[in-house]
Amino acid sequence: DTGVSQDPRHKITKRGQNVTFRCDPISEHNRLYWYRQTLGQGPEFLTYFQNEAQLEKSRLLSDRFSAERPKGSFSTLEIQRTEQGDSAMYLCASSPFLDISTEAFFGQGTRLTVV
Amino acid sequence: GENVEQHPSTLSVQEGDSAVIKCTYSDSASNYFPWYKQELGKGPQLIIDIRSNVGEKKDQRIAVTLNKTAKHFSLHITETQPEDSAVYFCAASRGLNQGGKLIFGQGTELSVKP
Repeated sequence: DTGVSQDPRHKITKRGQNVTFRCDPISEHNRLYWYRQTLGQGPEFLTYFQNEAQLEKSRLLSDRFSAERPKGSFSTLEIQRTEQGDSAMYLCASSPFLDISTEAFFGQGTRLTVV
Repeated sequence: GENVEQHPSTLSVQEGDSAVIKCTYSDSASNYFPWYKQELGKGPQLIIDIRSNVGEKKDQRIAVTLNKTAKHFSLHITETQPEDSAVYFCAASRGLNQGGKLIFGQGTELSVKP
């Protein structure tokens, strides 16, 4: 297993366009998280899934954002009608749901630039 | 709300010196405190973590201390090397049974000069 994989690594889009990112977590990790990181800041929590169920969404996740994890494996994050303020690094992380382990493994991220 | 404050924002040390980064958290229900290292263009990588039932943990040149009463925790790196240069983030979490989401500090850019 090569860890958490995110695609694409970079995305440049024009304002108003829709974009979709994909995350493949580590095999058999039940928990999958999405974070957003702007330049010079720490990652901010967006949402997380336990298997295919989306259990929590941050107030940062406006109605233009939607995330899915249809079969409890990979996940997608879609941003509709992108705005310049959406420019950021979007990070995905996964965790095994074990009582003694809460370690989150992060992917390399997708850097979004909205022009 | 939940908040993690991290200091300093930048830290420059000579190779071989020690580096200390400090964090404070606001959520008294937090019980898991990881530290991540992030290199340019990469995702955060866990370097060490500590749980609320432990006061100190050490892994080779890296150590973390936790004071739950004061709600602060610190990262200590001894015998720093140029490859330790990166941005370091602390985080706090209530643990997997309450979601497992991480609240991150603002980061510390560490520069180790040869």
